[in-house]
Amino acid sequence: ETVLTQSPGTLSLSPGERATLSCRASQSVRSSYLAWYQQKPGQAPRLLIYGASSRATGIPDRFSGSGSGTDFSLTINRLEPEDLAVYYCQQYGNSPLTFGGGTKVEIK
Amino acid sequence: QVQLQESGPGLVKPSETLSLTCTVSGGSMTSDFWSWIRQPPGKTLEWIGYVHYSGSTSYNPSLKSRATISRDTSKNQFSLKLTSVTAADTAMYFCARDLAARGFDPWGQGTLVTVSS
Repeated sequence: ETVLTQSPGTLSLSPGERATLSCRASQSVRSSYLAWYQQKPGQAPRLLIYGASSRATGIPDRFSGSGSGTDFSLTINRLEPEDLAVYYCQQYGNSPLTFGGGTKVEIK
Repeated sequence: QVQLQESGPGLVKPSETLSLTCTVSGGSMTSDFWSWIRQPPGKTLEWIGYVHYSGSTSYNPSLKSRATISRDTSKNQFSLKLTSVTAADTAMYFCARDLAARGFDPWGQGTLVTVSS
């Protein structure tokens, strides 16, 4: 199966700063079928990005995704206190679907 | 818009079968794929499997054939059965619409299932 490794494990930043989250796959993800989710404490995950770089409906343009092959990233510009969450990448190009271990974003 | 809601017992005994239902509202199940995903406490997410509106299914091999997902389009519901459960199956179970090339969206709020005697 395709293992997704996310780094860093925790990111602690101040409001207004930029967060860059990494997701590395153990093998190439077919057709860049890579998604990002935000999970706030006590809530279900919410889709942010699909197809590596397409924003889901209603997601602010502060969130952007990029990458292809085995290296992907999620960038959050102008961090806000409400961005406190764990962010997961997920690939659906290779079977079975797999998720990364998550990056926790803390707001100072 | 489409909303999903999980339901089922919160406590299951070891070796028994876990059964959950996901009710879809605000839309029809007669399209797309419909998935179950779980998250053990403090851990990451694990895809369990999906049912297509046609009835075809696919599962994560890690569950070693213990999972069965079915759908009832007349009730706008799909269900998960997981046999021979152990403490390792204790998790928050989520249902989600699987948009194939466009990710999982939306998700249900999740239901916590504890396996314990």
